[in-house]
Amino acid sequence: NAGVTQTPKFQVLKTGQSMTLQCAQDMNHNSMYWYRQDPGMGLRLIYYSASEGTTDKGEVPNGYNVSRLNKREFSLRLESAAPSQTSVYFCASSEEGAQGSYSNQPQHFGDGTRLSIL
Amino acid sequence: AQSVTQLDSHVSVSEGTPVLLRCNYSSSYSPSLFWYVQHPNKGLQLLLKYTSAATLVKGINGFEAEFKKSETSFHLTKPSAHMSDAAEYFCVVSDSNFNKFYFGSGTKLNVKP
Repeated sequence: NAGVTQTPKFQVLKTGQSMTLQCAQDMNHNSMYWYRQDPGMGLRLIYYSASEGTTDKGEVPNGYNVSRLNKREFSLRLESAAPSQTSVYFCASSEEGAQGSYSNQPQHFGDGTRLSIL
Repeated sequence: AQSVTQLDSHVSVSEGTPVLLRCNYSSSYSPSLFWYVQHPNKGLQLLLKYTSAATLVKGINGFEAEFKKSETSFHLTKPSAHMSDAAEYFCVVSDSNFNKFYFGSGTKLNVKP
């Protein structure tokens, strides 16, 4: 029962390098999310995908792109990494609620990717 | 506009004593409310969820929370803290009318032996 799987778990990049963080869920959930967590700032939503084929910006999308590859997979790409993007990144997924709602559904989180950019 | 405030960034209790983690929210509608727990180097895990069925919500590991509309609060409690409860706790409010949700900034719970 894997739930939400994130790869890699740790990564160190140099400024300007690119990287894709992978996320896959095996719960047949419609909605998927990418967050970053920084000390004292809680979780901030980067991008989300309410359903397969759609993606939308969250609170802090600048410097990131996403791809909803299929229902299971949702990847986050840093095209040109910057030290300000040093953070812990979490992927989450949730079921679809009544009438297409998703915000009132519990989210299931992966264990995170710890990313350092030098 | 919606918002959520966790009133304490750090709470410290002794093992066996009660736990109270406070959360206040502002909402124009009837919200859904959640508490999540995050243990070190782990993702968030759902503790409990309120969706208007009952004002007192029981969650996992002996935690519960009471929705008080008049006070716009959703405080998390546990009668007796255990060492394994040491973690960070997040309150989340959602507005299903707009499919938006908002995380609090978190409360770190320390449990002393």
